[in-house]
Amino acid sequence: EVQLVESGGDLVPPGGSLRLSCAASGFTVSTSYMTWVRQAPGKGLEWVSVFYRSGATYYADSVRGRFTISRDNSKNTLHLQMNSLITEDTAVYYCARALVVRGVEVAFDIWGQGTMVTVSS
Amino acid sequence: IVLTQSPGTLSLSPGERATLSCRASQSVASSMLAWYQQKPGQAPRLLIYGVSSRATGIPDRFSGSGSGTDFTLTISRLEPEDFAVYYCQQYGSTLWTFGQGTKVEIK
Repeated sequence: EVQLVESGGDLVPPGGSLRLSCAASGFTVSTSYMTWVRQAPGKGLEWVSVFYRSGATYYADSVRGRFTISRDNSKNTLHLQMNSLITEDTAVYYCARALVVRGVEVAFDIWGQGTMVTVSS
Repeated sequence: IVLTQSPGTLSLSPGERATLSCRASQSVASSMLAWYQQKPGQAPRLLIYGVSSRATGIPDRFSGSGSGTDFTLTISRLEPEDFAVYYCQQYGSTLWTFGQGTKVEIK
């Protein structure tokens, strides 16, 4: 079964750090286009970061310079290292895999259940 | 690119037709517009990609249309399980953006 399971969410103080993990099963992370999307309480979806199959990475303006996306091919896992956290980073963080159609990533078809990050003193 | 969805909330009865709008601030490549459904406490579910292609397992009462800057998700006859929040999404210049969502609620 194709599945994503996130972990690592926690309560952290402003300025703190946290590392999220997303374990994949049923497919290979290293040959997939993987992303993180977050959702603040009661709000909409916000794209955070992407890891291309090629190894290229991109970030939303709101997290660039503070967050780092990476993957561990040996563990088939995606990570999100979050530093210098601010209260606005409080959200459920989802990892997702892109659907590829004729070699082009067109949407996200597999999602994890999400992990909650709360930034508060 | 900013995506603006309307209306914010749609109040309808089961069996009625739902028409949701997504307007982009710039033209969107046709293969890069998708729609998702999200229910409370759940992850989003992909409904439509490439403007009008249904994802695996999505019933044919869901359909997508549009081009350029104006896109529409239509639910032909609302089933009880269709009451949820719907988001459009686009991809361009290595960045993805979502609309703010439309809530379809039971009237």
